[in-house]
Amino acid sequence: GQNIDQPTEMTATEGAIVQINCTYQTSGFNGLFWYQQHAGEAPTFLSYNVLDGLEEKGRFSSFLSRSKGYSYLLLKELQMKDSASYLCADNYGQNFVFGPGTRLSVLP
Amino acid sequence: EAQVTQNPRYLITVTGKKLTVTCSQNMNHEYMSWYRQDPGLGLRQIYYSMNVEVTDKGDVPEGYKVSRKEKRNFPLILESPSPNQTSLYFCASRRTTGMVGTEAFFGQGTRLTVV
Repeated sequence: GQNIDQPTEMTATEGAIVQINCTYQTSGFNGLFWYQQHAGEAPTFLSYNVLDGLEEKGRFSSFLSRSKGYSYLLLKELQMKDSASYLCADNYGQNFVFGPGTRLSVLP
Repeated sequence: EAQVTQNPRYLITVTGKKLTVTCSQNMNHEYMSWYRQDPGLGLRQIYYSMNVEVTDKGDVPEGYKVSRKEKRNFPLILESPSPNQTSLYFCASRRTTGMVGTEAFFGQGTRLTVV
């Protein structure tokens, strides 16, 4: 399968900024997605990058570098409700494959 | 309302008793997929389908079957469930145009326990 890598766990403080990184194989790449998943619930869509650069959407931004096979999700002004897993997913060929996910804990 | 519907939400069954988890989407999406999620292992793909009558194995297909006779439905079949198939299962669908697709929409999940 597609090799997608993310840190397993991260911790940050309420009000802070956190960056979650994702690396993937570049062959067959057709776009990268970020999802948020609270424990026991379905993943929900956050962002999509197909071109290089930064996409901003409120408190969340996502960056892509296709040549480096690298993306990050930036979360600003962290809130307690942002405690969740964050999954990057690769539009690989015609398939849709997820990374292992990063579990983010936001502390007061 | 656009949605992906899975049934049942919760299921406890015994080893070896065949079961089917249904998945239906009302968005006319070409692509559908099944994932299982286990602690520490993330979402692992079981099978996916690019369109009617077209299915392919994902990373963990052993012990599972699927069918895609209609565009809207993509059932997951466990012919002889075993305890290692105890997991949280998600169905997803997305619109695709050639090699490019939109974001995936997920069902609510099915928590399966095999004893």
